[in-house]
Amino acid sequence: DTAVSQTPKYLVTQMGNDKSIKCEQNLGHDTMYWYKQDSKKFLKIMFSYNNKELIINETVPNRFSPKSPDKAHLNLHINSLELGDSAVYFCASSPGTGSYGYTFGSGTRLTVV
Amino acid sequence: AQSVSQHNHHVILSEAASLELGCNYSYGGTVNLFWYVQYPGQHLQLLLKYFSGDPLVKGIKGFEAEFIKSKFSFNLRKPSVQWSDTAEYFCAVFLGQNFVFGPGTRLSVLP
Repeated sequence: DTAVSQTPKYLVTQMGNDKSIKCEQNLGHDTMYWYKQDSKKFLKIMFSYNNKELIINETVPNRFSPKSPDKAHLNLHINSLELGDSAVYFCASSPGTGSYGYTFGSGTRLTVV
Repeated sequence: AQSVSQHNHHVILSEAASLELGCNYSYGGTVNLFWYVQYPGQHLQLLLKYFSGDPLVKGIKGFEAEFIKSKFSFNLRKPSVQWSDTAEYFCAVFLGQNFVFGPGTRLSVLP
């Protein structure tokens, strides 16, 4: 069983569209994260949720909206996609805030054309 | 600005060669340092970590890293690489709630 699973693995879409990426973890962790890896391979934190509560919200355009229906799921919805949104998005989970024991998903490669 | 830098963008080695990947950080005070590996098409996996104590830390798969406080460095080493070590390697600092990652170094090991 995959501990942190993301869907889809690849996503190609046109500018202006709205898309969602889903993430689920079966580890019983309380905290989940979204990281973005840009074209220069820098991995940066976008959001973190602890038991459905937003903890970290870095400087991310309002077009990005995370949603956590329960502590096992953290989805990322992106409105009005732009070319610059093309990146690999990684979901991760950890036992709690302040825990370094991350488990990462395999990533979703988003390409905006 | 506070950051994590990695010296090499792409390293190409033959099997059995020795490996050293450089990592420098610009955070002051106590730092928690990590190396992660990402094999092609897979998720990031923890190789090793340093919190305190012996500055030479050993990780999985024969990797080790040395923390040199005076140089703000945490270089990754392996005496003899294998083809299966081909991957992307990320150095990272844990800031208490999230990681700050370096830009990664791609390692290609030729059989």
